[in-house]
Amino acid sequence: DTGVSQNPRHKITKRGQNVTFRCDPISEHNRLYWYRQTLGQGPEFLTYFQNEAQLEKSRLLSDRFSAERPKGSFSTLEIQRTEQGDSAMYLCASGAGLAYNEQFFGPGTRLTVL
Amino acid sequence: AQSVTQLGSHVSVSEGALVLLRCNYSSSVPPYLFWYVQYPNQGLQLLLKYTTGATLVKGINGFEAEFKKSETSFHLTKPSAHMSDAAEYFCAVTPGATNKLIFGTGTLLAVQP
Repeated sequence: DTGVSQNPRHKITKRGQNVTFRCDPISEHNRLYWYRQTLGQGPEFLTYFQNEAQLEKSRLLSDRFSAERPKGSFSTLEIQRTEQGDSAMYLCASGAGLAYNEQFFGPGTRLTVL
Repeated sequence: AQSVTQLGSHVSVSEGALVLLRCNYSSSVPPYLFWYVQYPNQGLQLLLKYTTGATLVKGINGFEAEFKKSETSFHLTKPSAHMSDAAEYFCAVTPGATNKLIFGTGTLLAVQP
């Protein structure tokens, strides 16, 4: 499978716990994005990497959120001290070349914070 | 600030009928416009995109959209709906050279037999 993969697909945690999600992009893609999607809403941009450099972060990405992309390959998104409001689908996407080229989305990680 | 408005959170059509999903955008710079489809428990898949050039864009699965700058619209159409078209559709804009996609709230399309 050469698409974008995300793990885990589902995560249930208790409020206050830390969680980490992983995204494996399409191998030749230099751009990687994280989005958050809540019920009834479209995806909202969280952050963007070009290779290993994190070039843009949304105001939605509070100090409890951190994302990394070591070596410009896979990426992780960590949420510390989770809150119920963090419950959402977290989507990863990757792309190649110019910014307006297609972003290929993974299946997402659904987070439920109890 | 750039934004996308999708009129109609739910649209229901009969199989074989015309599909029309509306999208209006706000952008201070020439936008790049996209339509994505999302099936249950899956990620988003690109249907079509407008960057420059021809304003009528054809995509996969028989969908097309027309960029109308004067109306700031990018409505999605399909002449004849199939049952397999039932899904949620998202319009998105990338304003200028920025990298993020700004999505609308989505339209859930139901296709009745």
